Amino acid sequence: NAGVTQTPKFQVLKTGQSMTLQCAQDMNHEYMSWYRQDPGMGLRLIHYSVGAGITDQGEVPNGYNVSRSTTEDFPLRLLSAAPSQTSVYFCASSYRLAGVRGTGELFFGEGSRLTVL
Amino acid sequence: EDKVVQSPLSLVVHEGDTVTLNCSYEVTNFRSLLWYKQEKKAPTFLFMLTSSGIEKKSGRLSSILDKKELFSILNITATQTGDSAVYLCAAMGTNAGKSTFGDGTTLTVKP
Repeated sequence: NAGVTQTPKFQVLKTGQSMTLQCAQDMNHEYMSWYRQDPGMGLRLIHYSVGAGITDQGEVPNGYNVSRSTTEDFPLRLLSAAPSQTSVYFCASSYRLAGVRGTGELFFGEGSRLTVL
Repeated sequence: EDKVVQSPLSLVVHEGDTVTLNCSYEVTNFRSLLWYKQEKKAPTFLFMLTSSGIEKKSGRLSSILDKKELFSILNITATQTGDSAVYLCAAMGTNAGKSTFGDGTTLTVKP
């Protein structure tokens, strides 16, 4: 099992450029989410999905777009990159019901380090 | 707005010391409190606690939840340099995909 796979691992963008961070999981998890982590801080939720075709905003959704056309994939789009979006991005997935098919913990990808100049 | 606060933000100890990390939370429809360890890369899961007063243990690590006072602690005994990491606390409501994280405690264990 690959778990949660994120690409690319590193990316440098210029202000105003757009890009997509890819995320795929092979554990048949219903829930998928995107977090960003800034230096010295915890993880802040950008967007999340409870299943294919359903997405919702987290704490810091502005400037990002998501879609969930399949259970496996949950791409994150930066519409017009800004320096404030320089961060490490983590994709995560989990089972829908804690204690039924798992403990409810998040399984994380290895992260994507994005720098916006 | 859901909120998780961890303390201290950083801690430096020597090998063999015992440490206690704190996590307080305010989460709508609280369901679970999770602890993660983050070294260089992605967080890895340590514990999930859902019931008050029941200690979870894994080797030298243990954790307990107080649902009345809305906090949890993570204890690490006989610390080793390999315990050096950021420890993250996350509170989960009924929506398991929407965990709220604290800012983490950076633990440094010196030889």
